Amino acid sequence: QVELRESGPGLVKPSETLSLTCTVSGYSISSGYSWDWIRQPPGKGLEWIGGIYQSVNTHSNPSLRSRVTLSVDTSKNQFSLNLSSVTAADTAVYYCARHFLTGNWFDPWGQGTLVTVSS
Amino acid sequence: SYVLTQPPSVSVAPGKTARITCGGDSIEDKSVHWYQQKPGQAPILLIYYDSDRPSGIPARFSGSNSGNTATLTISRVEAGDEADYYCQVWDNNIDHSIFGGGTKLTVL
Repeated sequence: QVELRESGPGLVKPSETLSLTCTVSGYSISSGYSWDWIRQPPGKGLEWIGGIYQSVNTHSNPSLRSRVTLSVDTSKNQFSLNLSSVTAADTAVYYCARHFLTGNWFDPWGQGTLVTVSS
Repeated sequence: SYVLTQPPSVSVAPGKTARITCGGDSIEDKSVHWYQQKPGQAPILLIYYDSDRPSGIPARFSGSNSGNTATLTISRVEAGDEADYYCQVWDNNIDHSIFGGGTKLTVL
């Protein structure tokens, strides 16, 4: 079955760039779907960040678009998120997920990784 | 932008039926998806396309969508159903996913 796992630093300094990678097993990410990022601040709800499909096409939350960079490495079956100029408001659990473009739902999700923005 | 409104909390006794609503302008024109998130865990897909269940999701979970309200119904509620539930749609106007604020289900 398809499994996703996030990895990256758990602590990022304000104004720096948050970088996360999602490793996919059980499916080749070059074969279809969008591969997306969703975050959840502590004690709060879910916020869609954006995703990448067909290796080069991206879509993202308008509120974050200017700070978001999405990429894929098909040789490693990984996709990545860079979020620049972070502040404390970017502290959250970050999830990666497969996005079914036919109906626009997310399944499955990775386990999530907590990223704290602090000096 | 499009807004989804969920009640912050719903309480139900074991064995009863819980209904969690998701309100949005003409939401019946959109496909609504539902997720369950237990404490400390990632969300899992419960319902897609308003009322379809992924394999492995019990038939106790069902969904409907009409007018300005989509509803997740949980029949014969169990203690293990205690979780946060989120609805989600795609806003085609701005190519953007939107989540409701989430509903905490408490089993009394």
